[in-house]
Amino acid sequence: ILNVEQSPQSLHVQEGDSTNFTCSFPSSNFYALHWYRWETAKSPEALFVMTLNGDEKKKGRISATLNTKEGYSYLYIKGSQPEDSATYLCACPGAGNNRKLIWGLGTSLAVNP
Amino acid sequence: DGGITQSPKYLFRKEGQNVTLSCEQNLNHDAMYWYRQDPGQGLRLIYYSQIVNDFQKGDIAEGYSVSREKKESFPLTVTSAQKNPTAFYLCASSIKPTIYSNQPQHFGDGTRLSIL
Repeated sequence: ILNVEQSPQSLHVQEGDSTNFTCSFPSSNFYALHWYRWETAKSPEALFVMTLNGDEKKKGRISATLNTKEGYSYLYIKGSQPEDSATYLCACPGAGNNRKLIWGLGTSLAVNP
Repeated sequence: DGGITQSPKYLFRKEGQNVTLSCEQNLNHDAMYWYRQDPGQGLRLIYYSQIVNDFQKGDIAEGYSVSREKKESFPLTVTSAQKNPTAFYLCASSIKPTIYSNQPQHFGDGTRLSIL
């Protein structure tokens, strides 16, 4: 069974700090790595889908890197703002014909003004 | 605007009662999904549908049923056989089936189900 693990579980930073967190996954049978942001009282929103080793994607102040050989992805937020406060989820398709997404527990980020 | 609409936002179920959660999408997506979230656990897949008139069990399908008679609709029924239905339920869709693993999922706002 594929295990997707995220660390840390929660994070508190001050406005303007840069931060990063990790998603770990088995490096064998890799298909893709998804990052989502889930703000309180809203629906989860897709940030990135990454498929290639060494890939780096960016969306505003948020960027992500992927290392499929060692089985991890980093999500970076530069100059955190209070509106960045959310739970950040990662997920990987599992093995098998249907490749259903297997989800991590998330990293809960709180940015203090 | 295109999106996914879940209703109701809050739902209460009496013991022994079946309840149906609605999920509608106007994104013209082929695939739709139902997830359950419990405290301290990741999203768990209940059922998914890759195409109209087809659906498959996820990891925790017992006590639930679905239908996919129309592309835009994927209702979830929580039956009396589901002994612990109190949870937050999320519906999602993707433009292509899950076999295309690089497709992001789009989510509704969720339904919170509680037992009276």
